[in-house]
Amino acid sequence: QKEVEQDPGPLSVPEGAIVSLNCTYSNSAFQYFMWYRQYSRKGPELLMYTYSSGNKEDGRFTAQVDKSSKYISLFIRDSQPSDSATYLCAMNQGNAGKSTFGDGTTLTVKP
Amino acid sequence: DAGVTQSPTHLIKTRGQQVTLRCSPKSGHDTVSWYQQALGQGPQFIFQYYEEEERQRGNFPDRFSGHQFPNYSSELNVNALLLGDSALYLCASSLVTGVGEQYFGPGTRLTVT
Repeated sequence: QKEVEQDPGPLSVPEGAIVSLNCTYSNSAFQYFMWYRQYSRKGPELLMYTYSSGNKEDGRFTAQVDKSSKYISLFIRDSQPSDSATYLCAMNQGNAGKSTFGDGTTLTVKP
Repeated sequence: DAGVTQSPTHLIKTRGQQVTLRCSPKSGHDTVSWYQQALGQGPQFIFQYYEEEERQRGNFPDRFSGHQFPNYSSELNVNALLLGDSALYLCASSLVTGVGEQYFGPGTRLTVT
């Protein structure tokens, strides 16, 4: 079983919808939680990272961490066609360069 | 400010050959990590370099080796290529004190035939 599990999708929503992306993990030592966006055939782009449990908001994006349930989420408000990409969750124990990734959820936002 | 750069963009090799991939980190970063991303999967950590030494290593065989230079740039070497080594190889840079901020390059797509 993988340390980080992510709903693979694909997920298709209309423009303007609220999107919820989720990951679960098994290693309780993970302390830092990241979300990346990856366009086809490109490198992942860091969207945001959080420490421990709680919420963090950045524009249309909100990251949520529940360490007691080992569950993290990314919410995208007012989704746009330009948000169409694969979203990767990642986490680590305090070393940014040694992160464990989920396999990504592919999102399509239709105009 | 240049981000992480990688070369080459694409590479085609034959089984058994050796390959070298190159990476220049984001300005100001001192740590380079390498990841392998197979099609439809998330990146898998290969190893990390800091101060020209391998700092951490993932679950990859010794055929995978690396190097970091005094200017923080790095190379990934893969010997005795297998078909299963075909993947996108990603370089990421961070600060050794960094806990969440890691920036990726565009990757090198390696095809082994």
